[in-house]
Amino acid sequence: GAVVSQHPSRVICKSGTSVKIECRSLDFQATTMFWYRQFPKQSLMLMATSNEGSKATYEQGVEKDKFLINHASLTLSTLTVTSAHPEDSSFYICSAELGQDNSPLHFGNGTRLTVT
Amino acid sequence: GDSVTQMEGPVTLSEEAFLTINCTYTATGYPSLFWYVQYPGEGLQLLLKATKADDKGSNKGFEATYRKETTSFHLEKGSVQVSDSAVYFCALSDQDTGRRALTFGSGTRLQVQP
Repeated sequence: GAVVSQHPSRVICKSGTSVKIECRSLDFQATTMFWYRQFPKQSLMLMATSNEGSKATYEQGVEKDKFLINHASLTLSTLTVTSAHPEDSSFYICSAELGQDNSPLHFGNGTRLTVT
Repeated sequence: GDSVTQMEGPVTLSEEAFLTINCTYTATGYPSLFWYVQYPGEGLQLLLKATKADDKGSNKGFEATYRKETTSFHLEKGSVQVSDSAVYFCALSDQDTGRRALTFGSGTRLQVQP
């Protein structure tokens, strides 16, 4: 079946540094990928919609200059958390769709970011 | 806007007990409905889905029926196993609004004891 690979699974960084998270669709082309953030014991909140070859669409309240999204190919989207702070510590999950109506989204295993 | 409401957890059951996790939704269009499962330390996996009213999604002994009249999509399983322990998310996709991203409920943690 379709697989989405997310890397790294865990990352610890110091405050003020930047962290890049990769999301790859392994056996299909994903024209659209989605980035979610999950706080402890809470649901997934959509951060942005990433479209191949165009600018990402950010949800209200998400700082686009802080959470840089690049979708340069049909199989890769990256999320860069710039100048990370402890409040950015969270679980980030990407997902990709196959491009068909009502096709279920396929999710990566998530990245646990801890900013010290 | 669209929203999904799930019963709060954790839900603790003994093995072979009957499971119900309630889910209701609010949507402007005619959404597709999903249940996802998240095992510890892993991402989300699609468990089942239903795309129109009265559809029943089923998988691995779990089932849920799309009830438009009550705007509900309750998850049920007749006999749970320890391996079913996970967090379950109800979600909707309302493509009528042009939004393809999923809207999730808050998740319900299920703990099954031997």
